[in-house]
Parts: sequence; structure tokens; C-alpha cells
Amino acid sequence: DGGITQSPKYLFRKEGQNVTLSCEQNLNHDAMYWYRQDPGQGLRLIYYSQIVNDFQKGDIAEGYSVSREKKESFPLTVTSAQKNPTAFYLCASSSPSDGGPDTQYFGPGTRLTVL
Amino acid sequence: AQSVTQPDIHITVSEGASLELRCNYSYGATPYLFWYVQSPGQGLQLLLKYFSGDTLVQGIKGFEAEFKRSQSSFNLRKPSVHWSDAAEYFCAVGERYGGSQGNLIFGKGTKLSVKP
Repeated sequence: DGGITQSPKYLFRKEGQNVTLSCEQNLNHDAMYWYRQDPGQGLRLIYYSQIVNDFQKGDIAEGYSVSREKKESFPLTVTSAQKNPTAFYLCASSSPSDGGPDTQYFGPGTRLTVL
Repeated sequence: AQSVTQPDIHITVSEGASLELRCNYSYGATPYLFWYVQSPGQGLQLLLKYFSGDTLVQGIKGFEAEFKRSQSSFNLRKPSVHWSDAAEYFCAVGERYGGSQGNLIFGKGTKLSVKP
């Protein structure tokens, strides 16, 4: 079954701890993305990577870090520098379509709660 | 700057009634446009997309959307709503050019409730 998996589904963190959210895709997509979702705020882009070993900051990268060592994996670390990390985190990957736009496909999300 | 506005935060419709969710965008060129749906606690599912050609786009689950350049709009419609359509709906504009090509700019979403 092709798709995007995120783990864990729920994650609890104490203040001051770093945590890493996993995102894996077997769709052979080049590009991957991390979004943060807060109620009433839509989705905001944290980081994106268009190719292995390269990534770019999105609109709200402060307090987060990523790596892209393999095409299928794009883990997100929420550091202690992120002041308000409680949110729903969504990973996506995209593929170009013939003559059209890249289309992003989303994982099921990870809900992070800071205790 | 590019932006997407969904004017309605929450809409309630009766089952079987028609539905229209509004989306307005600001973009310097012909946009790529998307509608996604999200059930509570889940990821986003693509309903439909527009990038060129026929301005009326058909999607999954009986949804359609019409691109109107003159109004900078891409409204989502369904002729008869089912209780299972209750969810949150997001409109997005896709970046066409430059280093952020492929990135999406999302609206803040419209939550749809369906009355029996």
C-alpha cells in the first residue's frame, strides 16, 4: 500500500525536551513538507524539502529542525526553543503531474501536547 | 503577497440541501487551486484541483468547483449534502514559480456541519 505514514499519532512532551516526529513515504515523491495546524489558523508551513540532502525554511521555522538524508524520510524535531509547540503536525509529499501542478498528499498527522 | 481567504468559518446545512463554500485568492499569475477536506483528527484529502482549461472542475465525492478569474474565486459546490460530508474544508493556492514552486498557501478553513 502506497502512502505517507506519521508516527506517533499522539505525543506528549515535558517542557524543555526535544522531540522528533517521524514522516515516511513510499510514493517515490521528491518533495516533502511539514505543516503545523492550530484551531482556526489553517496550515502553516514549517519546512520543506524538494530533494534529498536539501531543505528550506517555511513561514514558521523557528524552534524546529529537519533532516532529509533519505528520499522516503523527513523527520521533524521540535526543540525546546519552540515556545508554544502544542499543535497538530502534518507531513505531506508531492509529485509533479503531467502539465499540471505538484499535488501534495498528506499523512494522518501527529498531535503533540506539551505538559 | 499571495493569500487565500475563506470568508465563512462555520456553515451548517441540512442533509440533502445544496452547498457552496467560498474561496477567494490573491495571486499575481494564473493560479493553481486546490480544495482539500479534513475529518477530525485526520490528515487532508484532496477533493479537486484546477490549473488550466475548463473552469468547472469535477472532484471526488460529488464535489465540483468553478474558477472565476474576474472574481478571483474558486468556490466549492455540491448539489446534495450527505451527513458524511461534515468536516473542515481548505482551499489552497499553489506556487507556480521560483524556489518555492509546489508550495501551497492555505486558507484558514471552513467547518461544515450537517443537520439531519
